Amino acid sequence: DAEITQSPRHKITETGRQVTLACHQTWNHNNMFWYRQDLGHGLRLIHYSYGVQDTNKGEVSDGYSVSRSNTEDLPLTLESAASSQTSVYFCASSERGVTGELFFGEGSRLTVL
Amino acid sequence: GENVEQHPSTLSVQEGDSAVIKCTYSDSASNYFPWYKQELGKRPQLIIDIRSNVGEKKDQRIAVTLNKTAKHFSLHITETQPEDSAVYFCAATLNNDMRFGAGTRLTVKP
Repeated sequence: DAEITQSPRHKITETGRQVTLACHQTWNHNNMFWYRQDLGHGLRLIHYSYGVQDTNKGEVSDGYSVSRSNTEDLPLTLESAASSQTSVYFCASSERGVTGELFFGEGSRLTVL
Repeated sequence: GENVEQHPSTLSVQEGDSAVIKCTYSDSASNYFPWYKQELGKRPQLIIDIRSNVGEKKDQRIAVTLNKTAKHFSLHITETQPEDSAVYFCAATLNNDMRFGAGTRLTVKP
């Protein structure tokens, strides 16, 4: 069965370190997204990609970057982690962009000390 | 960008009762409105969606209504069951931008 997986599921890091969260999907979807989930804010879009070599900034992109070298993967990098980036991060993919169903990964809980 | 407000933030009902969650959006051009359910510790999953050319959509015990004039849409769950307990998120899409509401934690008491 097709799926979308994230790793690591839990990570603790220190302020100033670089962190990369991996996202891998086997749906063969062109559209991939990264969201962060914080209490009282719902899901907020960080970056998204509509295909290989395509990346776009979302609502809360400062301090994050992504790259898309193939269809299956969209890694999220925190260049210099800050305590404000402590959150749960969800990767998602879709066939129809944001006008169709988003398939979410299991989430990655990141704690920045 | 689009702004989505969701109410209430928490909702507690007795098993068998109905539950209603409401969302408002700011841009009248928004055209796609999904609802996601997130059980504790799990990923969000789509439960129902509606497009701007439709006023109501049903799927068994859940329904969504859209009022484009008032710019609000609602999720209705009838005959609630304990397994309906979760956080529900609404969202609205304008062009390539989907914005989520802050979520409603629904608790169904047996």
